[in-house]
Amino acid sequence: KQEVTQIPAALSVPEGENLVLNCSFTDSAIYNLQWFRQDPGKGLTSLLLIQSSQREQTSGRLNASLDKSSGRSTLYIAASQPGDSATYLCAASGNTPLVFGKGTRLSVIA
Amino acid sequence: GAVVSQHPSWVICKSGTSVKIECRSLDFQATTMFWYRQFPKQSLMLMATSNEGSKATYEQGVEKDKFLINHASLTLSTLTVTSAHPEDSSFYICSAKGLGLTYEQYFGPGTRLTVT
Repeated sequence: KQEVTQIPAALSVPEGENLVLNCSFTDSAIYNLQWFRQDPGKGLTSLLLIQSSQREQTSGRLNASLDKSSGRSTLYIAASQPGDSATYLCAASGNTPLVFGKGTRLSVIA
Repeated sequence: GAVVSQHPSWVICKSGTSVKIECRSLDFQATTMFWYRQFPKQSLMLMATSNEGSKATYEQGVEKDKFLINHASLTLSTLTVTSAHPEDSSFYICSAKGLGLTYEQYFGPGTRLTVT
């Protein structure tokens, strides 16, 4: 059974810093790995989706990498801004529906 | 493209009543829909998977008689919480996946249910 773990659970950084969020998964037989953002009381916003055959995806200040063999993905946020404050969830998709990690709560302090 | 809507966005109901939540795929045919629930500061937990025209598959620990799921068309799935109790208060999110859409699930905006 797929299990997804995210570290750290919470992170607070000053504005302008670059940061890395970590995600690990136990079953490497995935179709894709997806990163989401969730604001308090809101639904999910898809940020990046990495297919199993890909190594990374980039969108603006966000860069996500995938290493299937080691069961790891990272989300890199460059030049963080207060508006980046949210919970970031990673989810792995395989033969089963998406399995989510518990998320990392990010606070960017102005 | 690939937009999923949910209705209502929030609902308050009294204990013992039933409430129905709709999930619609607006611009694609969703052969499979998923229902998740999320407690405060927790992650999303899959409740059930439904394929159009067949019975839903429930995850372990989810009461199928309490959480009725219907996926009668390729664009609509409903979740009915029957005889709601305060402990059913949660954030319910649906997602949908269609034929030809690369394994990606598209998520609705969620429904906040409060049972008083």
